[in-house]
Formats: sequence, C-alpha cells, structure tokens
Amino acid sequence: GAVVSQHPSRVICKSGTSVKIECRSLDFQATTMFWYRQFPKKSLMLMATSNEGSKATYEQGVEKDKFLINHASLTLSTLTVTSAHPEDSSFYICSAGEWGGSYEQYFGPGTRLTVT
Amino acid sequence: GENVEQHPSTLSVQEGDSAVIKCTYSDSASNYFPWYKQELGKGPQLIIDIRSNVGEKKDQRIAVTLNKTAKHFSLHITETQPEDSAVYFCAARGTSPSGSARQLTFGSGTQLTVLP
Repeated sequence: GAVVSQHPSRVICKSGTSVKIECRSLDFQATTMFWYRQFPKKSLMLMATSNEGSKATYEQGVEKDKFLINHASLTLSTLTVTSAHPEDSSFYICSAGEWGGSYEQYFGPGTRLTVT
Repeated sequence: GENVEQHPSTLSVQEGDSAVIKCTYSDSASNYFPWYKQELGKGPQLIIDIRSNVGEKKDQRIAVTLNKTAKHFSLHITETQPEDSAVYFCAARGTSPSGSARQLTFGSGTQLTVLP
C-alpha cells in the first residue's frame, strides 16, 4: 500500500509556543489529506480536510486560527498548533487519499504532542 | 451525515479461535467500507476494505462481509494469533459525483485481545 509519513513522531513543547507537524505522501500524489486527533482509547476525530492549493475545510468546533493547515504541494500538508496549551496534548494523525478512482485512505504513524 | 456504530467495544478470544466485529452505518449512499488495525502508539493500518458492489471479500485469515440492505458490515478474523491483538476500527464513506476522496466516518473501535 501507499506510504504516508509524519514528522515528528513525538514532540514536547512549552505552553504558549507553536508546533508544526508535517505529513507527506511518499509514493503518490495526494490531492486531499485529512487531519485527525485521537484521545486515549478513543476513536479518530476528524479535524479538517486539507486540499492542495486551497483552504482547508474545518470540522465544527475546530478552531481554524489555532490549528493552521497548509497543503502547499501534492505530497505535503502541515498542521501548526499555535499557542499550544496542555489541553492540546494529544495524538495527531494525518491521512492521504489519491484523486478519483481509488478510495483508499492511508494513515501516517501519528505525532504525539505533549504541551507542558 | 453518516453515523457508524461498532460492536463489541472489547473482545477476548483464545488463540486459534475466530473473532467477529460488527458495524452498522446510516447513510445508504455510502459505498466504501475499510477496516483499520491500530497498534498502541501507531497510526491506523488499512487491513481490508470492501465496496458496495460486492458482498464479501477475503484476504488470507481476514474477511469482510457487507449487507447493503441491512446497512451493516462485519470483519471476520480466523485462526487468531497473539499478534492480531490491537484496536480495530471500521469506517464508511460515500463519494461525490466528481470521484474526489471523501472523509471517512469511523466506528468507536474494538479492542481485540488474543489470549495465548
């Protein structure tokens, strides 16, 4: 299957700072990428849909000014958590899908964010 | 929107026995149903999927069945092994006329434990 990478895998930051998480599709072009947040022992919660070359679509209740998404190329989307607070600590996972035809969505390995 | 329910939330089986996880969905327009396996601290891994034009799909020890009329689909794992222990998520997704990737709606997850 297709490979999606995320960087970093773990990050610890101080409250008030910003953190950037990268999501890359390694062997295919991803016109659409998705960002999820997962709490311990819970399901995946969709935060936003990232479309290459256009603005991201955020789910209800997700602050777009706090979670900045940039999908500047067909292989890279970034999620920036701005002015992070301890309640932003979570497991963030991205996924990527190919345009048309194929419905498969492949997930990255996730990023564990801890805000102290 | 789509709503996916998954049962059971936890499942313990003896090594070598079969495991069955069931999901129901609400949107009759959904036509793609993947299953993901998530190990602790990792991203979900696509293990099998089924599209609405077939009723069953099998890949070695894993099979998925789909009943469109009843709007439910199931994951069957035979000859379970300890390494099958993980959280399993079902998901459902429809499609837009343009064929672009659409977001997945996930079930709540099943913690499968295979006892040696």
